[in-house]
Amino acid sequence: SQQGEEDPQALSIQEGENATMNCSYKTSINNLQWYRQNSGRGLVHLILIRSNEREKHSGRLRVTLDTSKKSSSLLITASRAADTASYFCVRISNFGNEKLTFGTGTRLTIIP
Amino acid sequence: NAGVTQTPKFQVLKTGQSMTLQCAQDMNHEYMSWYRQDPGMGLRLIHYSVGAGITDQGEVPNGYNVSRSTTEDFPLRLLSAAPSQTSVYFCASSYSGTSGRATDTQYFGPGTRLTVL
Repeated sequence: SQQGEEDPQALSIQEGENATMNCSYKTSINNLQWYRQNSGRGLVHLILIRSNEREKHSGRLRVTLDTSKKSSSLLITASRAADTASYFCVRISNFGNEKLTFGTGTRLTIIP
Repeated sequence: NAGVTQTPKFQVLKTGQSMTLQCAQDMNHEYMSWYRQDPGMGLRLIHYSVGAGITDQGEVPNGYNVSRSTTEDFPLRLLSAAPSQTSVYFCASSYSGTSGRATDTQYFGPGTRLTVL
């Protein structure tokens, strides 16, 4: 299966701290995307990193990609209560496959 | 732009009933897809389409049909609802460029919460 894993499954931190989530995958990828889902809502795209990129920034978000280890991490700096949500990584296969693969996500809770 | 819209937001069905979940996008995206999300799980792909007239099965297609007669619309039909189809359903679309593959940012609808009794 191409399905990877997000780690940890759940994370609780104090407001203002940094949050790090990890994602692993098994097959070669074209790109990897991170999404946020607030409770009961649709998914919102956060950032896309291509297989030839190693790091990408967007505001308080930093994503890294290590293709040799088949892993990615999402760092949220200076967390806010509004960051409370589930975070998913989505692997886009490099083998002509149009099927996106989601993990089970990391449930992040920011404690005010 | 309205983005991706889904109707209805909520639906309750009895076992054996059929219904159609509607999905529409106004971004001229070639790629559209349907997912279901069950508690504690990620999204699982039901069906997808790389363009009008072209559909294919995803990971969990049984019990569902789709069609893609226009670029804008991608309805999902439940043929004979079962309690196992109780879930939240999300539609998504994306630009796929010349490759025809779903490599770009996915835009999700707000979801349809379906309960089958």
